[in-house]
Amino acid sequence: SQQGEEDPQALSIQEGENATMNCSYKTSINNLQWYRQNSGRGLVHLILIRSNEREKHSGRLRVTLDTSKKSSSLLITASRAADTASYFCATDANSNSGYALNFGKGTSLLVTP
Amino acid sequence: DAGVIQSPRHEVTEMGQEVTLRCKPISGHDYLFWYRQTMMRGLELLIYFNNNVPIDDSGMPEDRFSAKMPNASFSTLKIQPSEPRDSAVYFCASSLFEGADGGYTFGSGTRLTVV
Repeated sequence: SQQGEEDPQALSIQEGENATMNCSYKTSINNLQWYRQNSGRGLVHLILIRSNEREKHSGRLRVTLDTSKKSSSLLITASRAADTASYFCATDANSNSGYALNFGKGTSLLVTP
Repeated sequence: DAGVIQSPRHEVTEMGQEVTLRCKPISGHDYLFWYRQTMMRGLELLIYFNNNVPIDDSGMPEDRFSAKMPNASFSTLKIQPSEPRDSAVYFCASSLFEGADGGYTFGSGTRLTVV
């Protein structure tokens, strides 16, 4: 079952602009993660933010988490053509029965030169 | 480390045939996951293992699907008999432990086409 839902489904920007993607989820979590997938490749882990954190940075990436609204955002600053990919948020089930990530359907980002 | 290794990269088979997908996780990772990705349904968790023990197989579509992890360095996902609706990209991923900062490491996937 899919826990996270990304918005927008597709985003097209020019190089140098910032890209913002949002993720909403339904149940309480321990952590939320963002992944990138280039066409025809596997997913690559970008960043993990824990439920007691509100903001996290990694290079040009900035992630926020609002547990009261059950939402997260991923900001990519000064985008490059190489950032063109699909971006997925993933949440753990926060369940005592185990640990597995549920992925949304992703945001497709196109960065044009 | 070479990362998570999946084989084959592509598989085309006829309906009714048996298909076996293989995965070698990263050494030392305690968790192994099998996901299936389609345009319609996105990424679906099929099954995952912790220390070679299956923990949750509720995502396995039908009895036609089975997965094993005989040791810490190898897992298989088998479909028997295969059907056209099984066509998808199957990913294997591994993880150190729950909530590890590095998240999951995914393999490159196996693109399965059942004709």
